[in-house]
Amino acid sequence: SAVISQKPSRDICQRGTSLTIQCQVDSQVTMMFWYRQQPGQSLTLIATANQGSEATYESGFVIDKFPISRPNLTFSTLTVSNMSPEDSSIYLCSVVPGGPYNEQFFGPGTRLTVL
Amino acid sequence: AQTVTQSQPEMSVQEAETVTLSCTYDTSESDYYLFWYKQPPSRQMILVIRQEAYKQQNATENRFSVNFQKAAKSFSLKISDSQLGDAAMYFCAYRSYNQGGKLIFGQGTELSVKP
Repeated sequence: SAVISQKPSRDICQRGTSLTIQCQVDSQVTMMFWYRQQPGQSLTLIATANQGSEATYESGFVIDKFPISRPNLTFSTLTVSNMSPEDSSIYLCSVVPGGPYNEQFFGPGTRLTVL
Repeated sequence: AQTVTQSQPEMSVQEAETVTLSCTYDTSESDYYLFWYKQPPSRQMILVIRQEAYKQQNATENRFSVNFQKAAKSFSLKISDSQLGDAAMYFCAYRSYNQGGKLIFGQGTELSVKP
């Protein structure tokens, strides 16, 4: 299993600013995943973060808007840059400990509101 | 590309009764996983049940069971003896066999449980 914590749990930001979300896992994992859940919507994968290499972004998401860091095997950050109200969402970190065929765990999410 | 469809935005069930949530998916792959996740108001994503496509036997976890029809690409969730704590948003999700972490979610079904 895996216990995931995220900081902050929620924030209210002004448009044009940036917010960095932290994700900490209690065990070493190869890949970490960042998801977005827009209000009343389902979850959509933003990117996959591997330690020691650049993140891999899904269609519709770009590094300039959502830069990701992965400095070690237990930690990752997602930055939401130059925010607009459309970025208001819940951002969730996720991991699959032990390999790609195992159970997937999610963090508690960060609720972001952009005014 | 794979897609997941949940056609029931909302469902309601009486406490102690049984309810079935529907999910269909589209894929050209033969090996994959299917999941049902529960998201209560706390936002925490909780794995309810998992099905490997190569297994003909339907997965069961206590009061939760699935009806997996591979040819029809259908994956419904049955909740027996519904409890007030079952009230939540339920998401059906698809994952390719070797794409650990990359979940494709359906739109979700909001389940309410009446006392």
